Amino acid sequence: EPEVTQTPSHQVTQMGQEVILRCVPISNHLYFYWYRQILGQKVEFLVSFYNNEISEKSEIFDDQFSVERPDGSNFTLKIRSTKLEDSAMYFCASSATSGGGKTQYFGPGTRLLVL
Amino acid sequence: GENVEQHPSTLSVQEGDSAVIKCTYSDSASNYFPWYKQELGKRPQLIIDIRSNVGEKKDQRIAVTLNKTAKHFSLHITETQPEDSAVYFCAASDGGGADGLTFGKGTHLIIQP
Repeated sequence: EPEVTQTPSHQVTQMGQEVILRCVPISNHLYFYWYRQILGQKVEFLVSFYNNEISEKSEIFDDQFSVERPDGSNFTLKIRSTKLEDSAMYFCASSATSGGGKTQYFGPGTRLLVL
Repeated sequence: GENVEQHPSTLSVQEGDSAVIKCTYSDSASNYFPWYKQELGKRPQLIIDIRSNVGEKKDQRIAVTLNKTAKHFSLHITETQPEDSAVYFCAASDGGGADGLTFGKGTHLIIQP
């Protein structure tokens, strides 16, 4: 069964550094998402992406975040200048359809630690 | 925006008993309600979902009920087994352009042998 994949599984970075988290969505899916989960807390929506543009973003997704689909398979989340509070598990998800109830499949996550 | 409340935060049941987790949502436009199971350090995995045109859905030992009037939905697990131990999250989506899921805070389900 196809799965969403993410790299790296773990990333340690210094505060102020840029990080890029990578995701390969399920191949026939059209809608892509990023979520984050701070340790022990709920999963929080960051951004959704469709047709090469952002569909919607949450208040968490400020100017230090950006997303890109650089080619036909990868979907990336960039954090320009990391802060301590960016430490979290970042999940990518994808779905085949949207609106009125679509199923989102999550990747295994990238655990980001900002020191 | 949407707000999802989930109760209880921790639920301990004897193996073989039933477990019920409840969620309420605030946005009457929400029309899609998935439940995810997350084991420690793993990805959230969809276990069941329900759409607003359905009141109840069942898949073997798992069932979900939806009351749109009251804006609440519940997860029912019958004949619980040790492998059911995990954190369960409910979520809601308004099905609009955003499509982002709003999650509840999670329920840590503990199955006592």
